[in-house]
This record gives sequence, C-alpha cells and structure tokens, in this order.
Amino acid sequence: AQKITQTQPGMFVQEKEAVTLDCTYDTSDQSYGLFWYKQPSSGEMIFLIYQGSYDEQNATEGRYSLNFQKARKSANLVISASQLGDSAMYFCAMRPTGTASKLTFGTGTRLQVTL
Amino acid sequence: DTGVSQNPRHKITKRGQNVTFRCDPISEHNRLYWYRQTLGQGPEFLTYFQNEAQLEKSRLLSDRFSAERPKGSFSTLEIQRTEQGDSAMYLCASSSAGREKLFFGSGTQLSVL
Repeated sequence: AQKITQTQPGMFVQEKEAVTLDCTYDTSDQSYGLFWYKQPSSGEMIFLIYQGSYDEQNATEGRYSLNFQKARKSANLVISASQLGDSAMYFCAMRPTGTASKLTFGTGTRLQVTL
Repeated sequence: DTGVSQNPRHKITKRGQNVTFRCDPISEHNRLYWYRQTLGQGPEFLTYFQNEAQLEKSRLLSDRFSAERPKGSFSTLEIQRTEQGDSAMYLCASSSAGREKLFFGSGTQLSVL
C-alpha cells in the first residue's frame, strides 16, 4: 500500500518569493514515481513535475523543482518567484513505476500568493 | 491535442435518480482512469481501463456504479439510485502506455439533493 502525507493545509507566500510545499510518502515498492499536480478553482488537475525514484538528479520544470530526499521519503515541491496565478490547491501523488497502477494522492495544500 | 474533455461540468439530481457522465480522453491515449474527489480531499481512484478492458476497480466502486469504455475511446460512468454521499467531483484522466504522466479533465461536479 502507498500513502502520501501533506501536513500543510494552507500556505501563504508573497509574490516573487519562493515557497516549499511539503510531501512525505510511504511505500513498499522499490521503484516508484512521484508527481505534483496543481488544481485551480476551475477543478482541472494540472501536471507540474515528475520524479522517478531512481533518478539521480532532482527534477525541474521551469519555476518548479522537486526536492527529492529518498532516505527521508520526502518529495517537496519548490516554487520559485511565486506569481498570483500560482494560487491553487497542490497535490502530491505517487505510484509504482512502469505500471498502469492508480495514482495515490495526498490531501493537498492550498497556496495563496499575496501582493 | 484538445485535452481530456468531461461532460457535463455540473449535474444536480435528486436522490434515487440515475446519472451518467462522459469522458473523452486525449486521442490515442489507451489508458483511462476515473477518480472521485470530495471536498478537502485528494482524488480517490475508482477504476481504470486499458483500451476497452476494465482492468482495475476500487472497492469504492459499489454495485451502483458502472463504467464502460466501448471501442476503447470515450468512457461513461453511471451511478444508479444516487445517494447524497455520491456528491463529489468526478475526474477523468488519460495516459499513453509507457508514459507516466496522467492528463486530467476538468471534472463533473455532482450534487445529489
């Protein structure tokens, strides 16, 4: 079984600042993938970034980077230079690699970017 | 690539009625997933298709729920004899075999009165 824990129900960040959203996970799988999705008020889940458990380097996608610490079972999302449009729910998720297995999601963190 | 399309966006129904939702995945994506999301929670897996075959179902999918994917293209999710506890956002996602990323639709928000 897999479990994702997001301990921050809500976060505030000022525009242009960086913010870290926490995610810890638990799994018995040897090979797995970690995902972050953004869900604005419109409801659509928007893919942000993916990290494979055997990837040697931390994933980056534009202003998003994933701080992957395998021994600590954490996969924190870092958003640099926050923008007002970053205000949304953010979900961490995982699943075994190379399978069509379901994604297991955390409960999410609501990020509010302020002026 | 027009994205994953879900219809309707919103559905209000009375308890006991049947409802059906439709999902059109990204063309050529052979995998299709249904998730349910309640307020304040992350999406929960309901079921998964590879082409037209339904390969996995969650225990959340009671006998009142049925999903189909005829011809391996669009999919429908039907809920019979709806209950107030069925009120949720129903999300559809699709992906290609061998690719990790799932593409989600905007969901169908169901309200059961």
